Amino acid sequence: AQSVTQLGSHVSVSEGALVLLRCNYSSSVPPYLFWYVQYPNQGLQLLLKYTTGATLVKGINGFEAEFKKSETSFHLTKPSAHMSDAAEYFCAVSLSNSGGSNYKLTFGKGTLLTVNP
Amino acid sequence: EAQVTQNPRYLITVTGKKLTVTCSQNMNHEYMSWYRQDPGLGLRQIYYSMNVEVTDKGDVPEGYKVSRKEKRNFPLILESPSPNQTSLYFCASTRRVAGGDEQFFGPGTRLTVL
Repeated sequence: AQSVTQLGSHVSVSEGALVLLRCNYSSSVPPYLFWYVQYPNQGLQLLLKYTTGATLVKGINGFEAEFKKSETSFHLTKPSAHMSDAAEYFCAVSLSNSGGSNYKLTFGKGTLLTVNP
Repeated sequence: EAQVTQNPRYLITVTGKKLTVTCSQNMNHEYMSWYRQDPGLGLRQIYYSMNVEVTDKGDVPEGYKVSRKEKRNFPLILESPSPNQTSLYFCASTRRVAGGDEQFFGPGTRLTVL
C-alpha cells in the first residue's frame, strides 16, 4: 500500500521568494513520485516525476524536487516565485512494480500556493 | 493534439436521475481511470480500465459504473445519483513509458446533485 502526506494545505509566499512545498510518502516498494499542478478551473498537469536514477528532478516552469529515500520525502522547490505559480499542487505516488495491475496514482490532499505581490 | 476530453464540463441534476459523463482520449492508451476530487481529500480513484472490456474498482467505486467498449472511450455512469456524489470528476489516460507511467488528465466535470 502507498500513501502521501502533504504538509500544509495552504502556503503563502511573496513574489520572488523561495517556494517549498512538502511531501512525504509511504510505500512498501520503491515508489514512483510525481508532482502535479492544477490551475483554477483546469485539469492536472504533470510538473515532474521521479522514477529511478538522479534524485534531483527538474520539471517545467523552474520547479524541481529531490527524492530523499532516508527521509521518505519528495519536496518541491522553486528559487523565485512568480505570480503565475499560484495554483494547487498535488504530490502523488505509484508503485514501481505494479506489473499488470492497477497503475493507480495515490494523491496527497493538495497544497494551495498563494503568491503575494 | 494529444488530449483527454470530458463532457459535459458542468452538470446540475437531481437525485435519482441517471447520468453519464463521457471521456475520450486520442493517444491510443490502454489504461484509463476516473477520479473524483473533493476539498481537503485530494483525488481518489473511482474505477480504472486496463484495456477494452477490462475494468476494476478503485478506492471509491460505490454508486458508479463504467464501461470500456472501445479503447478511446471510458464513460462514467451514475445510475441513481445522490448529493454525496457532488464533486469534481477527472478522467485520466496513462502513457506507458520506461521508468514510470504518466497520466494525462481531462479538464474535469463539475457535478452537482440536488
